[in-house]
Amino acid sequence: EAAVTQSPRNKVTVTGGNVTLSCRQTNSHNYMYWYRQDTGHGLRLIHYSYGAGNLQIGDVPDGYKATRTTQEDFFLLLELASPSQTSLYFCASSDAVGGSAETLYFGSGTRLTVL
Amino acid sequence: GDSVTQKEGLVTLTEGLPVMLNCTYQTIYSNAFLFWYVHYLNESPRLLLKSSTDNKRTEHQGFHATLHKSSSSFHLQKSSAQLSDSALYYCALSDRAGNTGKLIFGLGTTLQVQP
Repeated sequence: EAAVTQSPRNKVTVTGGNVTLSCRQTNSHNYMYWYRQDTGHGLRLIHYSYGAGNLQIGDVPDGYKATRTTQEDFFLLLELASPSQTSLYFCASSDAVGGSAETLYFGSGTRLTVL
Repeated sequence: GDSVTQKEGLVTLTEGLPVMLNCTYQTIYSNAFLFWYVHYLNESPRLLLKSSTDNKRTEHQGFHATLHKSSSSFHLQKSSAQLSDSALYYCALSDRAGNTGKLIFGLGTTLQVQP
């Protein structure tokens, strides 16, 4: 079964703070994704990537940067955190074929609180 | 563009009653690929079932869904709700039309099963 590991599990920062969320997948999937989950909004795609060095903009990218350093590692960066970015963040990977998304495997989530 | 609609934000049922969670979608692509994901509290979202075959019933863990392309629907059903079915359920559509490797999620339906 696919393994996706996120760190940290919980993070508290202050407005204007700098935060990096980490994600590692060990199944050689080509696609990796960052989502945020908020009540009433469901899962919203922030950024995604189809390989090392690649970055694609998702549906709610404002205030977020991301970097895919290797096939396994995908990072989400909040350089000036704001309270509106308080959320539950999920990383996911997928062995998409020909640009068609297949099953997503999610990490355990990072709960971020911006005070 | 492609979209997924889950009209019910919250469904509350008594244990033993049948479950039906609605999902409709819009896509210009004829080969729609639909998914149901389940998110239990304090766990990772995970795939429940998926289908791309018109009018074929797909089953997993007591749940079933049939993709009906004529009505653009992929409703999730179960004959008898259990307390352990309480969770957040997402319907999703593979963005094959856009060839982006993305899944398009609905807003999710929270299922609460009461004794």
